[in-house]
Amino acid sequence: QITLKESGPTLVKPTQTLALTCTFSGFSVSTIGVGVGWIRQPPGAALEWLAVIYWNDVKRYSPSLKTRLTITKDTSKNRVVLIMTDMDPVDTATYYCAHTFYTPESYYWFDNWGQGTLVTVSS
Amino acid sequence: QSALTQPASVSGSPGQSITISCTGTSSDVGGYNLVSWYQQYSGKAPKLMIYDVSNRPSGVSNRFSGSKSGNTASLTISGLQAEDEADYYCTSATSSVTLVFGGGTKLTVL
Repeated sequence: QITLKESGPTLVKPTQTLALTCTFSGFSVSTIGVGVGWIRQPPGAALEWLAVIYWNDVKRYSPSLKTRLTITKDTSKNRVVLIMTDMDPVDTATYYCAHTFYTPESYYWFDNWGQGTLVTVSS
Repeated sequence: QSALTQPASVSGSPGQSITISCTGTSSDVGGYNLVSWYQQYSGKAPKLMIYDVSNRPSGVSNRFSGSKSGNTASLTISGLQAEDEADYYCTSATSSVTLVFGGGTKLTVL
């Protein structure tokens, strides 16, 4: 059974850096094809893809947020970390991490999601 | 990259069929068979309903089906049930090897 859980601060101030951790079980991010992505959702708004990291350390970022995002993985601890710099109130959202699997013909779908964590950006 | 275009809302009566459209460009929806659909209840995490345009994950009802024509993908729900009332999001891979979401569609079961 695959489970994921997001953790991190619930409140950050404008201009601060956010670090979110996704801790998972039921799979290993060192297994060929496996990836973990981050998706966020502002209150009452649509989902927005942020980033994904794969077993081979390939990383992809949202073009609009690329300069502010860093995604890393810790295979031994079953964790993936997302760092977002220069936080702004518009970044207030529920942040989700999710499991994915890559093949050349099939990718960018997320079949298991964490419960999400609400991050509020306010002074 | 711009968000994919979905209708803000659709509605239908129990037992009917409804279709939600998802319009992109040749650089995303039209260029790849990598469209997925998610169902999201209020306050809950999304659930994968369709991937690779028309494939259903194990456990998803066969009342849900996906298709694509040109730059527009569609999610069809047949035999509409009250429990289908939720928000639905489409996604597509892009030519930049990134992912783009649609703006979401609120389905109301009358």
